[in-house]
Amino acid sequence: NAGVTQTPKFQVLKTGQSMTLQCAQDMNHEYMSWYRQDPGMGLRLIHYSVGAGITDQGEVPNGYNVSRSTTEDFPLRLLSAAPSQTSVYFCASSSTPVSSPWETQYFGPGTRLLVL
Amino acid sequence: DAKTTQPPSMDCAEGRAANLPCNHSTISGNEYVYWYRQIHSQGPQYIIHGLKNNETNEMASLIITEDRKSSTLILPHATLRDTAVYYCIVRIGGSQGNLIFGKGTKLSVKP
Repeated sequence: NAGVTQTPKFQVLKTGQSMTLQCAQDMNHEYMSWYRQDPGMGLRLIHYSVGAGITDQGEVPNGYNVSRSTTEDFPLRLLSAAPSQTSVYFCASSSTPVSSPWETQYFGPGTRLLVL
Repeated sequence: DAKTTQPPSMDCAEGRAANLPCNHSTISGNEYVYWYRQIHSQGPQYIIHGLKNNETNEMASLIITEDRKSSTLILPHATLRDTAVYYCIVRIGGSQGNLIFGKGTKLSVKP
């Protein structure tokens, strides 16, 4: 299994440009999420999905869109990039248990984004 | 989810045990304690979790006090590769979704 993969690893954008950060997992996990991490900070949740066709907002959703058309993929879209979106972005996935403790989340390697 | 408090940084000598504390005084009965770590520039990695009893796996041990208001993650023989930020997270068991990360404890293992 490749686990959770993210592309690209690095990206530089100009203010106002749009782009999509890709995230895929091959573990048949239902739950997927996007976090951002700024210097010296912990991770903050942007959006998450509990299954194909279902998404919801996290702590910092403004400026980002997501969709979940398949179980495997959960892309994050920046519609009009701003310097405040300069950050490291992590995608994560986990199974969604019914009766057992919440499963561990598996994280991708991250995408480093610089918006000029 | 209950709030957690961790020291911002700790040092440990290589080969010695690293004991990382976490306070979660408002934890409720159905909340689990999880530990993740993040090695520089990488995605976070699950270490261990527990409810009441002490837990041990191949990476670490988790000691939870009887009143569950605090816990300690123990890395029995720390190596340089254990240098990372360690996050203590409290989460309701069986619930879906979101990990709430604080700033964690930066553990520096020194030769």
